[in-house]
Amino acid sequence: AQRVTQPEKLLSVFKGAPVELKCNYSYSGSPELFWYVQYSRQRLQLLLRHISRESIKGFTADLNKGETSFHLKKPFAQEEDSAMYYCALSGAAGNKLTFGGGTRVLVKP
Amino acid sequence: KAGVTQTPRYLIKTRGQQVTLSCSPISGHRSVSWYQQTPGQGLQFLFEYFSETQRNKGNFPGRFSGRQFSNSRSEMNVSTLELGDSALYLCASSSREDRSYEQYFGPGTRLTVT
Repeated sequence: AQRVTQPEKLLSVFKGAPVELKCNYSYSGSPELFWYVQYSRQRLQLLLRHISRESIKGFTADLNKGETSFHLKKPFAQEEDSAMYYCALSGAAGNKLTFGGGTRVLVKP
Repeated sequence: KAGVTQTPRYLIKTRGQQVTLSCSPISGHRSVSWYQQTPGQGLQFLFEYFSETQRNKGNFPGRFSGRQFSNSRSEMNVSTLELGDSALYLCASSSREDRSYEQYFGPGTRLTVT
């Protein structure tokens, strides 16, 4: 079975402060991990995936297989980062995504 | 390129009825997945189709079914609707069968069962 846990439902930070969204997973094999984001009144969209090892909009995420974590970080939050963030895992073959419960990020001015 | 489209966007049905939702993937995408989103359970995978074949299925009762046509358009059907089926149903398409590829989501169909 595969499971994704996002322990924080809401993160409230001030503009310019660092933000870290936690994601822990459970999967016996080698997972593919993603962060998806949903801005207000927009579709769910990919933010980044661990296989790309890239930084998108200043966000980075490192896969830690020892701790089974894939936390999302940004050193300086911006107001436009306010959104709902979902961590997701793809295990077996195919495009089945298992999502975490989501974390709402609110960046205050 | 046009994005993933879903029709209808909103639907109100009565318990016991059945419903069919439609999804048109991005042109050239052969993988279509369906998800149910509710406040209580979050985003849950329903099933995935690739080249008209169901490749994966989530833990939903048999009342939930789907299919994919040769043009990659997909439909999902829910029979004998229950109040708990009220949800946002999302469709996503991908260009490849490789699990590391991005999925593109549609705007969703909001189903309300009364």
